[in-house]
Amino acid sequence: RKEVEQDPGPFNVPEGATVAFNCTYSNSASQSFFWYRQDCRKEPKLLMSVYSSGNEDGRFTAQLNRASQYISLLIRDSKLSDSATYLCVVIAGSYIPTFGRGTSLIVHP
Amino acid sequence: SQTIHQWPATLVQPVGSPLSLECTVEGTSNPNLYWYRQAAGRGLQLLFYSVGIGQISSEVPQNLSASRPQDRQFILSSKKLLLSDSGFYLCAAASGESWDQPQHFGDGTRLSIL
Repeated sequence: RKEVEQDPGPFNVPEGATVAFNCTYSNSASQSFFWYRQDCRKEPKLLMSVYSSGNEDGRFTAQLNRASQYISLLIRDSKLSDSATYLCVVIAGSYIPTFGRGTSLIVHP
Repeated sequence: SQTIHQWPATLVQPVGSPLSLECTVEGTSNPNLYWYRQAAGRGLQLLFYSVGIGQISSEVPQNLSASRPQDRQFILSSKKLLLSDSGFYLCAAASGESWDQPQHFGDGTRLSIL
């Protein structure tokens, strides 16, 4: 089993839709969690950290479920500009983060 | 906030030629530094990381090497490039204050080997 797994997608949704991605991790000692966004042929950019209590940043909501070992990202009111690949990242007590392969999102008019 | 500078943005090199990619970091001291490679349509592959000057850990055996001559400088090198070295090379930095800090990436170098 891979350490961090994501559904590669693509998720193809219309503008204004709500879409959610999950990311499962295998290491129960994982402590820090993040979501990154990567546009085509660009570097990954930090989207948001994921806190135990869940956190929200505008249209984006991130949640952590430790019992089931997954994190989620919810995007409300999708925009065309949200089209990108979303990477989840997990850190488990070392300096080496583990990246998922990413979930591709395509928002169409 | 951290700023990670990488250059060049694109590079075309013949097989067997040497390589030197440089990454410098501003806005933080004692960062943890990382080199990744991303093949087209694939995930990030960690190549090297460093927690201090002169300290390099290699994650994948290959014909690449890394050096950290200064606190905020990280260099990726090769003596002889292979076709399989083509890819998108990304330098990343994270605060060295604790191990759970997020990484920030440079703009990347797109390397094509001919």
